[in-house]
Formats: sequence, structure tokens, C-alpha cells
Amino acid sequence: ETGVTQTPRHLVMGMTNKKSLKCEQHLGHNAMYWYKQSAKKPLELMFVYSLEERVENNSVPSRFSPECPNSSHLFLHLHTLQPEDSALYLCASSRGDRESEKLFFGSGTQLSVL
Amino acid sequence: GQNIDQPTEMTATEGAIVQINCTYQTSGFNGLFWYQQHAGEAPTFLSYNVLDGLEEKGRFSSFLSRSKGYSYLLLKELQMKDSASYLCAVEDSNYQLIWGAGTKLIIKP
Repeated sequence: ETGVTQTPRHLVMGMTNKKSLKCEQHLGHNAMYWYKQSAKKPLELMFVYSLEERVENNSVPSRFSPECPNSSHLFLHLHTLQPEDSALYLCASSRGDRESEKLFFGSGTQLSVL
Repeated sequence: GQNIDQPTEMTATEGAIVQINCTYQTSGFNGLFWYQQHAGEAPTFLSYNVLDGLEEKGRFSSFLSRSKGYSYLLLKELQMKDSASYLCAVEDSNYQLIWGAGTKLIIKP
């Protein structure tokens, strides 16, 4: 148990669907992150929030839309995805807003886009 | 460009020792991390090296040579539960993490 919870664990969606991924951290951390993990590829940082403000967006397509309503919750809204978006989506948190601080990850949402 | 290289897959025997290498070419260096990720689970922090040398933590040790752009993770007295992927990540001069693709370690009885 890392203190970071993600739901759902698995998601299958069509290209025209709209769905949302949820992340909750119980560690009192100030920063939260979304990563994409594809098989045999390095982790890709997608979004960073520090104290509920977005501080980084690494050229992620607009079909991915993050939301951080408070410092404990993070969402990733998905719409009109493509099959190449199929991957494991990991949420993480850290005490400060440097990505290089010790990260606490959730178990991820395995997304399949048909 | 920035690059982290680590072997894709390694196999070792229960009770033995294994060394997982990581070489890096980055814009500056502010530290190197190792994370462990069991299949279907969250990556978890193992170690952080910022100075040259060996850091020992139980059965796991991590080594860093900044001049060679090289690190390794040493696992002793291997157990079946050590079967996992091991991720190397380097913090560059902009304090951003550059990740390797991970090494899948398979432990055989």
C-alpha cells in the first residue's frame, strides 16, 4: 500500500467514449502527477500539479484533460482516444513539486482503446 | 538528446547475486533513482544516489559513478519475490526525471 489509490484498475473503451480516471492520495503531499507507461518504453510524464495548480503539460494531446479539485484528488478525463493511447496510466504524488523528489505511485489504470 | 540505457531482461537463480546496470547521457546530473515495479503494481522507491560510491540497504545496494555516467543495482540472496521490473531514472539539470525503459528480472528456482 503506497498511499495512492487509482480507480478503475482496468478500463476498456471505444474511440468515441468519454471516461475518467481517478487518483487519490492519503499522504498529505503537495504535488500530483500523471504518467503514461507503455510496454518496454520509459515512463512519460503527462501532467504535474502543485498545490492544485498545473505546473507542467508535456505536449499531451487535448483528448487528455486533467483536473485537480484539491491536493488529494486528481482526475484524467479521456475522450475520443486512439488505439495508440492504450497503456498503463500511473498517478503519483510527492511532498514537493520537483518531479525528482521521491515519488509514491498508484497501481495504475490499464487502459485499452478499441 | 538525453538517454538512459538498461538491459531489457535478465534471468537469475534464487539465492544468487545479480547486477542490473544503467548508463546515462543527460543534460546535467542531480541524482539517480532506482524503483522496483512488480507486474500489475505500483513502482516503489528503492534508492537514490547523488554522490559516487556504493549505498547499501539490506540485500539491495546501488552504485554510482558520475564520471562514467553509470550506475548499478546489486541484489543479493535473490528471492522469488524479487522478480519484477527495475526502473532507473536520472534527474537532469532542470530537475526533471529521465526514465529508462526498465529491466525485467526473472528469478528461477
